[in-house]
Amino acid sequence: DSGVTQTPKHLITATGQRVTLRCSPRSGDLSVYWYQQSLDQGLQFLIHYYNGEERAKGNILERFSAQQFPDLHSELNLSSLELGDSALYFCASSTSGQVGAGAFFGQGTRLTVV
Amino acid sequence: DAKTTQPNSMESNEEEPVHLPCNHSTISGTDYIHWYRQLPSQGPEYVIHGLTSNVNNRMASLAIAEDRKSSTLILHRATLRDAAVYYCILRTGSARQLTFGSGTQLTVLP
Repeated sequence: DSGVTQTPKHLITATGQRVTLRCSPRSGDLSVYWYQQSLDQGLQFLIHYYNGEERAKGNILERFSAQQFPDLHSELNLSSLELGDSALYFCASSTSGQVGAGAFFGQGTRLTVV
Repeated sequence: DAKTTQPNSMESNEEEPVHLPCNHSTISGTDYIHWYRQLPSQGPEYVIHGLTSNVNNRMASLAIAEDRKSSTLILHRATLRDAAVYYCILRTGSARQLTFGSGTQLTVLP
């Protein structure tokens, strides 16, 4: 158990809909990262938050947004969903976000868009 | 990000040591070498990381070449539960996210 909690574990929704994925980091971790893993793309970095502030953006679509709240949990919002958004979405947390710190991943949310 | 090169796949026998290689010839002085693994249907799992010196923890050892252009992850006694994709990642100061490549698929034979 990494200590990172993601909910829900599975989500099935229709095209055009909007969903929210939730991540609770390990106790005390200030950094949260979001990743997308699809069969043909591998693990793709989406976005990084540190103590409530956005720090880095990766291959995140404009239809996707995220935020980190004062209690440090984070939410990833996916809107106008398309079939191609079906993937595993992982969040990870680390103490500081510094390069010398390990990151700990949750078990992921499997999103299926039908 | 500096790039890493890993073999696509490796096989090992159960209860034998496994040496997983990684080449990173363009590594810079401040890049940390991180290893993660991903078991089937699970999130990536942190294994170990280091900068210059060899590192040991309960899961594995990391041997870093003197010129830092390569490293080796050592699993001392492979078990069936170690079958996973192993990712070698350089974590750079300017880009603090982890950039995953395709990794090495480790198969452990009973």
